[in-house]
Amino acid sequence: SAVISQKPSRDICQRGTSLTIQCQVDSQVTMMFWYRQQPGQSLTLIATANQGSEATYESGFVIDKFPISRPNLTFSTLTVSNMSPEDSSIYLCSVGLAGSLQETQYFGPGTRLLVL
Amino acid sequence: RKEVEQDPGPFNVPEGATVAFNCTYSNSASQSFFWYRQDCRKEPKLLMSVYSSGNEDGRFTAQLNRASQYISLLIRDSKLSDSATYLCVVNLYGQNFVFGPGTRLSVLP
Repeated sequence: SAVISQKPSRDICQRGTSLTIQCQVDSQVTMMFWYRQQPGQSLTLIATANQGSEATYESGFVIDKFPISRPNLTFSTLTVSNMSPEDSSIYLCSVGLAGSLQETQYFGPGTRLLVL
Repeated sequence: RKEVEQDPGPFNVPEGATVAFNCTYSNSASQSFFWYRQDCRKEPKLLMSVYSSGNEDGRFTAQLNRASQYISLLIRDSKLSDSATYLCVVNLYGQNFVFGPGTRLSVLP
């Protein structure tokens, strides 16, 4: 597995502001992902963070709202822009690692965001 | 139909009980399967991969039925520490992981 850290671990923000979440991995990884987990819900993939190119967004998520950077193979950021209370959620980064038979994903500890 | 479906529970079982969770998936071309465990206010953690022949890891047994598009997780001799939400995850090779809604388990003393 990999050691994945996220900063901040939690934040309380005012509506209309933006927050940038950082994800750091202790080894180089090809695949990095950003998920959202709303209260009482399962995980929803926001986008795949691609090193050296634009992120690949899932249906319902757009770059203007969730800009993502991936400057190298160990680091990525997700920005939640122009926040509203509906953005209150846990944001998780994950990395894909090759297992013995199939690729597996490992998650960072998450960032708890509350928007007032 | 949702891509991955699970019984949300909660399953409340006494210590030492055997409990089974089921999961169905809609895409017959799905190629890899996993069970993750998520404790309250924590990130999901890989519990075990699910292989075609079925596999066991201690008290945990995972089964895959491709014909029925069905995955199961069996927990034997359940412990208090097994209390968590269990997420069924399906991956279409080269595509993204799809997470089920999770099944909540409470093991009671």
